[in-house]
Amino acid sequence: KNEVEQSPQNLTAQEGEFITINCSYSVGISALHWLQQHPGGGIVSLFMLSSGKKKHGRLIATINIQEKHSSLHITASHPRDSAVYICAAIQGAQKLVFGQGTRLTINP
Amino acid sequence: GAGVSQSPSNKVTEKGKDVELRCDPISGHTALYWYRQRLGQGLEFLIYFQGNSAPDKSGLPSDRFSAERTGESVSTLTIQRTQQEDSAVYLCASSLGLAGVYEQYFGPGTRLTVT
Repeated sequence: KNEVEQSPQNLTAQEGEFITINCSYSVGISALHWLQQHPGGGIVSLFMLSSGKKKHGRLIATINIQEKHSSLHITASHPRDSAVYICAAIQGAQKLVFGQGTRLTINP
Repeated sequence: GAGVSQSPSNKVTEKGKDVELRCDPISGHTALYWYRQRLGQGLEFLIYFQGNSAPDKSGLPSDRFSAERTGESVSTLTIQRTQQEDSAVYLCASSLGLAGVYEQYFGPGTRLTVT
């Protein structure tokens, strides 16, 4: 069993739908990252959070430390949101443990 | 401003040869990370530097892998006697400090193919 599990592995939705991607982890963490990997391979950091909720535009990330679970939500999804979304748990000071990623496809 | 840069962008090498991959972090970023992404797989942590010190080398797959960093700037990842299973995209990231406090900025990666 991976230390960081994401679900679903693949998600296809229609433009405008509300999207939820889940991340569960079994290790002790200091914080958690959500990353976006574009089809061309570039990786962008979306959020880093250690408690509660963060919002940026149409993206919302939440974390429940007690339940060792985080979610990434996308409201009013758009085809340009199509990408692989990766959660990464931060162990100790610096080590990142990555989930396998969720491939999101938004159809027009 | 300039982001994280990596070179070369692509490298094809014969099995058994040594390769050196380079990462130029964002100026002022004290922390630097190396990751690997094999085809169709997730990211793997390899090593991180705080300044030019590497406190955690536990992610390096074998003793054929080594990394150095000059001060708080350029880092090189060296793979000796490359094997086909080393084929992957090698990604570098930098940040202002601790991974749990500062976000990481990723480079475009070096695609390594070992034939």
